[in-house]
Amino acid sequence: AQTVTQSQPEMSVQEAETVTLSCTYDTSENNYYLFWYKQPPSRQMILVIRQEAYKQQNATENRFSVNFQKAAKSFSLKISDSQLGDTAMYFCAFMKPSTGGGNKLTFGTGTQLKVEL
Amino acid sequence: EAQVTQNPRYLITVTGKKLTVTCSQNMNHEYMSWYRQDPGLGLRQIYYSMNVEVTDKGDVPEGYKVSRKEKRNFPLILESPSPNQTSLYFCASSLYGTASEAFFGQGTRLTVV
Repeated sequence: AQTVTQSQPEMSVQEAETVTLSCTYDTSENNYYLFWYKQPPSRQMILVIRQEAYKQQNATENRFSVNFQKAAKSFSLKISDSQLGDTAMYFCAFMKPSTGGGNKLTFGTGTQLKVEL
Repeated sequence: EAQVTQNPRYLITVTGKKLTVTCSQNMNHEYMSWYRQDPGLGLRQIYYSMNVEVTDKGDVPEGYKVSRKEKRNFPLILESPSPNQTSLYFCASSLYGTASEAFFGQGTRLTVV
């Protein structure tokens, strides 16, 4: 079974600064997908960024980018130019599409990020 | 607008009183699932469905039931709720067999007293 570990329960960053959230995972699979989801106080789950394991290039979405290290099984999220609206819980998630388990997402325990003035 | 709709958003109930949380999606997705979110544990899958009349257990299925009679609906049933089922519940849907984005409902905060 796959596991996802987020070792930072809480983090804070000053507005306009850069912050990196860490995520490691454990799997014996070679082909899989990784995601970062954002959960603001509204509780809505919002997809931030996704990475296909077969792609060596790190995914980027505006101010959000990842550092994907497949051999190390590491998938960190970097937020540049942090904004107050980035304050949220961030979840790292793993998915191995399969006929048996469908599109099951395995989540980490989350990192609560607070952006301060 | 593409969306997953859960109802209710908040629910307080008593131990043993059967309840249903509804979930409906308008994207014609085959794959639907239920997760519960607890502090320090992240989200864990309860049940999933790969299509109409096809459901299976996730990681924490005890105490829950589901049904998939129509493609758009996937209700979560707690036949005899207990306090340890107090949690935040999410329904999600996606296209089956791909790594497409999972769309989540707004969440249901359930308290069992």
